[in-house]
Formats: sequence, structure tokens, C-alpha cells
Amino acid sequence: AQTVTQSQPEMSVQEAETVTLSCTYDTSESDYYLFWYKQPPSRQMILVIRQEAYKQQNATENRFSVNFQKAAKSFSLKISDSQLGDAAMYFCAYRSGDGGATNKLIFGTGTLLAVQP
Amino acid sequence: EPEVTQTPSHQVTQMGQEVILRCVPISNHLYFYWYRQILGQKVEFLVSFYNNEISEKSEIFDDQFSVERPDGSNFTLKIRSTKLEDSAMYFCASEAAGQSYEQYFGPGTRLTVT
Repeated sequence: AQTVTQSQPEMSVQEAETVTLSCTYDTSESDYYLFWYKQPPSRQMILVIRQEAYKQQNATENRFSVNFQKAAKSFSLKISDSQLGDAAMYFCAYRSGDGGATNKLIFGTGTLLAVQP
Repeated sequence: EPEVTQTPSHQVTQMGQEVILRCVPISNHLYFYWYRQILGQKVEFLVSFYNNEISEKSEIFDDQFSVERPDGSNFTLKIRSTKLEDSAMYFCASEAAGQSYEQYFGPGTRLTVT
């Protein structure tokens, strides 16, 4: 079974600085997708970024980028120029690709990011 | 921009009562999901639904739970006899057919069982 691990329960960053949130996963599948979701205090789950395992190029969405290391099964999220509105819980999630037995998302335990003014 | 909506935002019920949580997925989406998050814990999968039937369910999704898509827009989760441990945030998510594999979440329903 697939697992997702986020080893940093809490992180803190100064406004305008860069922070990296870590995520590792375990799978025997070769085709899969990885996601980062943001959960602000409102508890809404907001999709931040997606990475396809078959793509070597790291995904980027504005100030958010990932460092995807497939061999190491590592998927970290980098937030550049941190803003106060980035303060939230961040969840890493895994999903099997085509031909997989399941479409469900498997979540890590989350990292609570604080942004200091 | 289309979004998933859920009602109610907060439901308080007594142990043993039935509750129905409602979701309106994004209109052209074909895959639907329910997840739950007990306070302070990670998000857990409950059930997925496609083509008017359950495609997968977790061990949490026992006989007390059921899902239904009664019309072309709503997607409901029913808990027949609520327990204290059912208190959680329940999220509905939907996904389009095709290759995006992105699930879009609603704002959640906070269920409190007393």
C-alpha cells in the first residue's frame, strides 16, 4: 500500500523569504500523481500544485514550485517570496495513475506553516 | 470559476440520529469523493463514486454510511446512526474525466455528534 510521510509538523518563515516543505512517499507503482494542498484556517482544501510522475520537469505555479526526485521518492514544495496569506496547513497527497487500482488521494499528516511579518 | 459546494457548513446532531450531508460537485465532473478529517488529523478517504455506483470504499465506510446521487447535481453522504467518533470535517470532492487527475474540494461540513 502507498504511504505519504511529512516529517515536519510545523515550519516557520519570515515574510518575503523562501521555505521548503518536505514530503516522501512509498509506492511500487510507476505511474502516479503527487499534489500539494493548502488548508487555511477556514479548513477549505485548496489545490496548490500537481506533478505527474512521468514528467522529469518540476511543476511550477507562480511562487510555488516542487522538487520531485522520483528515485528518492521525494516531493518537496518550495514557496518563494512568502506572504502572510501563505500561512496554512499544507498536505502532500498521492494518487495512482491510469491502470491503478484506486483513484483516491492518500494524504500525509500535514505541515503547519507560520509566516512571520 | 466553478466550485464544489457543500451544505450545511456545520451540523450538530445527537448520537444515534441520522444525518445527510449534501454536496453539489462541479457540473461537468464525473468522479465524486467523500473524505473526512478528524480535528487535528490527516484527511482520510471514505468513498468514491462513478457512473452511479460506488467504485471504492475504505474500511471506515461501513454499513452506517451510504452515498447517493439522487439527481444530476447533488451528491449526498448519509450516516444512519451517528456515533461520537463520527465528529469530523467531511469534505466532498469532484474530478473531471480526462487526464487532469485533480480533485477539487468543497468547503466541508463540520459534523458534531453530541
